[in-house]
Amino acid sequence: DQQVKQNSPSLSVQEGRISILNCDYTNSMFDYFLWYKKYPAEGPTFLISISSIKDKNEDGRFTVFLNKSAKHLSLHIVPSQPGDSAVYFCAASVAGGTSYGKLTFGQGTILTVHP
Amino acid sequence: NAGVMQNPRHLVRRRGQEARLRCSPMKGHSHVYWYRQLPEEGLKFMVYLQKENIIDESGMPKERFSAEFPKEGPSILRIQQVVRGDSAAYFCASYEDQGGTEAFFGQGTRLTVV
Repeated sequence: DQQVKQNSPSLSVQEGRISILNCDYTNSMFDYFLWYKKYPAEGPTFLISISSIKDKNEDGRFTVFLNKSAKHLSLHIVPSQPGDSAVYFCAASVAGGTSYGKLTFGQGTILTVHP
Repeated sequence: NAGVMQNPRHLVRRRGQEARLRCSPMKGHSHVYWYRQLPEEGLKFMVYLQKENIIDESGMPKERFSAEFPKEGPSILRIQQVVRGDSAAYFCASYEDQGGTEAFFGQGTRLTVV
């Protein structure tokens, strides 16, 4: 039962262009969403998050969009840089309750940014 | 302020042996989560602990796996009688005590069972 899905295993983008990574979820209880970036042999690093009361959050080159009715979120990276090449994980949680930090992850998308 | 520290980074065990994975959360963090990442998959929640308490172990296999977070010292994930299917990367994450919304992850322990 995959509650968070990233349907694109990989994405290849030219440096300077926009990268768009997509994520779908099925559990309507999720109300907090995060994106993590992961390099090989390292732990995930937090990038950006969004609460369900918002539909957009920006931080520098990174913007996350949330469409609650479609249960869909996306991460936009503009402009893309070669150093952005990594695996990107979408994650979701239920902010209330005893396990508020319990994250459900997607399978990840490998982003490659070509110079 | 040191980040989340996990050791060892790599661990090789023969089938039937025990594996002990350690996680020291960031200073000021008393909430620890353990995740497992199998090859080609995302991270899967295993267990959530606070100091001396297991809060949520719904993701832990019922047998051979246990976790603790003592009053002093790191959190320990223990796998008894390891099998090849236990080979994975194990990550821990910690949260600040005031209920922060961002998890800080360690670099992981890569367990290989031969």
